[in-house]
Amino acid sequence: DGGITQSPKYLFRKEGQNVTLSCEQNLNHDAMYWYRQDPGQGLRLIYYSQIVNDFQKGDIAEGYSVSREKKESFPLTVTSAQKNPTAFYLCASSIAAGPLRDTEAFFGQGTRLTVV
Amino acid sequence: EDQVTQSPEALRLQEGESSSLNCSYTVSGLRGLFWYRQDPGKGPEFLFTLYSAGEEKEKERLKATLTKKESFLHITAPKPEDSATYLCAVQGVIQGAQKLVFGQGTRLTINP
Repeated sequence: DGGITQSPKYLFRKEGQNVTLSCEQNLNHDAMYWYRQDPGQGLRLIYYSQIVNDFQKGDIAEGYSVSREKKESFPLTVTSAQKNPTAFYLCASSIAAGPLRDTEAFFGQGTRLTVV
Repeated sequence: EDQVTQSPEALRLQEGESSSLNCSYTVSGLRGLFWYRQDPGKGPEFLFTLYSAGEEKEKERLKATLTKKESFLHITAPKPEDSATYLCAVQGVIQGAQKLVFGQGTRLTINP
């Protein structure tokens, strides 16, 4: 089955540690995204990538890093510089539909990160 | 400055009571407007894509419409299983870059 797989589902981090969230897709999509969702709020864009070996900062990139070495994978590292990392993290991917329009993004099931 | 604003934040309806959710946007160079449904603790599930003003899409009890400044998600005769948070997202040029931006969502509760 095609889809987006995020792992782990739950992650606990001690203060001062870096952690990496995995996101893999087998949909052959070009674009991938990372969002953060806090309780009662919408999704805020952390990073996005439209092609392999290229990515751009979103609205809240501070304290996060990403890589896009393969089309299928877009891991997110939450560094110790992120002051309030406890949140629900969502990865998404989409396929470019042409110069004037984009297709919908499909989401993974999320990783809930908690700082202990 | 909010580019995508959804209203109301929360809505409670009785089963069978129809209503509409609103999504207003201020992005330029619209490349798509998307509606999603999100259940607690899960990733958003795609519902509709709209590209042009006047466009409409339907799926079961849901109907999405688009104008140049806003989109509506109409819910006809809802059932309790329609309870969820509904998210609107817009793909367009924001602060000089192509981005996919989400509204904060409308939390819909359908009472039996």
